[in-house]
Amino acid sequence: AQSVAQPEDQVNVAEGNPLTVKCTYSVSGNPYLFWYVQYPNRGLQFLLKYITGDNLVKGSYGFEAEFNKSQTSFHLKKPSALVSDSALYFCAVRTNSGYALNFGKGTSLLVTP
Amino acid sequence: DGGITQSPKYLFRKEGQNVTLSCEQNLNHDAMYWYRQDPGQGLRLIYYSQIVNDFQKGDIAEGYSVSREKKESFPLTVTSAQKNPTAFYLCASSIRGNQETQYFGPGTRLLVL
Repeated sequence: AQSVAQPEDQVNVAEGNPLTVKCTYSVSGNPYLFWYVQYPNRGLQFLLKYITGDNLVKGSYGFEAEFNKSQTSFHLKKPSALVSDSALYFCAVRTNSGYALNFGKGTSLLVTP
Repeated sequence: DGGITQSPKYLFRKEGQNVTLSCEQNLNHDAMYWYRQDPGQGLRLIYYSQIVNDFQKGDIAEGYSVSREKKESFPLTVTSAQKNPTAFYLCASSIRGNQETQYFGPGTRLLVL
């Protein structure tokens, strides 16, 4: 089954520092990988996706993610964190049928001033 | 949250009562999905529909029912058989195809009285 894992429940970073939110995947076939962000009591907002091509994917709000096939990882990154980036981040992978998504458990990002 | 609306924002259910959560989209998407979100568990798929008058069970369909009579609407009924319905429910839609991005509504929080 297609699955992703987010090994960190929470990531803390100071404003202005680079941030990384980790995601590893387990798939059969080509991985279709996504990152979403969720602010409190809101729906999920799409950040970026990897389908094929360049391993470095650029997305919304200055975020990017690096697809690493040998390490089966798809880590989310941002060069300089903002306090407003504080939110819950989900990595997801497309399932084999029905086009639904399997989500990780989420990582809470806290950016302190 | 794009062109997907969910109502109500908060819903209270009494013991033995069925309740229906509304999801409407004006994005002309064929596929629609219902997810349940519980703290620390990420999102889990309840039902999905790839086309009008067709839908499939997801990972946690027991105690739930859906209909897809119109392209823009995918209501979810939480039946009395669902013994632990308290959760945040998220509806999403997408163009059909496994490379396509899912877009989420703002969610409905269901609480049991």
